[in-house]
Amino acid sequence: AQSVTQLGSHVSVSEGALVLLRCNYSSSVPPYLFWYVQYPNQGLQLLLKYTSAATLVKGINGFEAEFKKSETSFHLTKPSAHMSDAAEYFCAVSDQDSGAGSYQLTFGKGTKLSVIP
Amino acid sequence: DSGVTQTPKHLITATGQRVTLRCSPRSGDLSVYWYQQSLDQGLQFLIQYYNGEERAKGNILERFSAQQFPDLHSELNLSSLELGDSALYFCASSTSWASGSGTDTQYFGPGTRLTVL
Repeated sequence: AQSVTQLGSHVSVSEGALVLLRCNYSSSVPPYLFWYVQYPNQGLQLLLKYTSAATLVKGINGFEAEFKKSETSFHLTKPSAHMSDAAEYFCAVSDQDSGAGSYQLTFGKGTKLSVIP
Repeated sequence: DSGVTQTPKHLITATGQRVTLRCSPRSGDLSVYWYQQSLDQGLQFLIQYYNGEERAKGNILERFSAQQFPDLHSELNLSSLELGDSALYFCASSTSWASGSGTDTQYFGPGTRLTVL
């Protein structure tokens, strides 16, 4: 069964500092990996996704993530934090249930990012 | 605005009752997904429908059921409600049945907050 671990339920960074949100996954087959962002009182929005093409994936709002198979990681980074980045971030993994021919997203517990002015 | 609408926004009810949550997908999307977000369980996939047919099933309790209608809107029915069912329920939609493979994107609605007293 696939699973996702996000290290750190809360991360605080200063405005302008590097953002690093950690995600490690386990999957028995090559995974598809996603990062979603949830702003207060809103639904989730896709930031970026890895689908076995380039290992460095660029997303919206200046975020990017690197797939490292040897480390089973898919950490999310942004060079310079903005106040508007304050939100909760979710890493998710998906693989195909070949029997059912379907895919299911399994989400991590989320990391709440605070940006300090 | 993702284009996915959910009603109602808030629902307060008592234990043992039954409620129905409604979701209208984005125009043109054939797949609808239901998720439950709670403090202790995190974000969990419940069930997926594609063009009126059940496509994938996750951690959905037997007390819960869903359906997708010919106009593609979906309803999630929760019965014999317990205190532990209090959560945020999200609906998401996508064009294809295989958004978990990254071929397209799941767009999330703003959620329905259910409180069971």
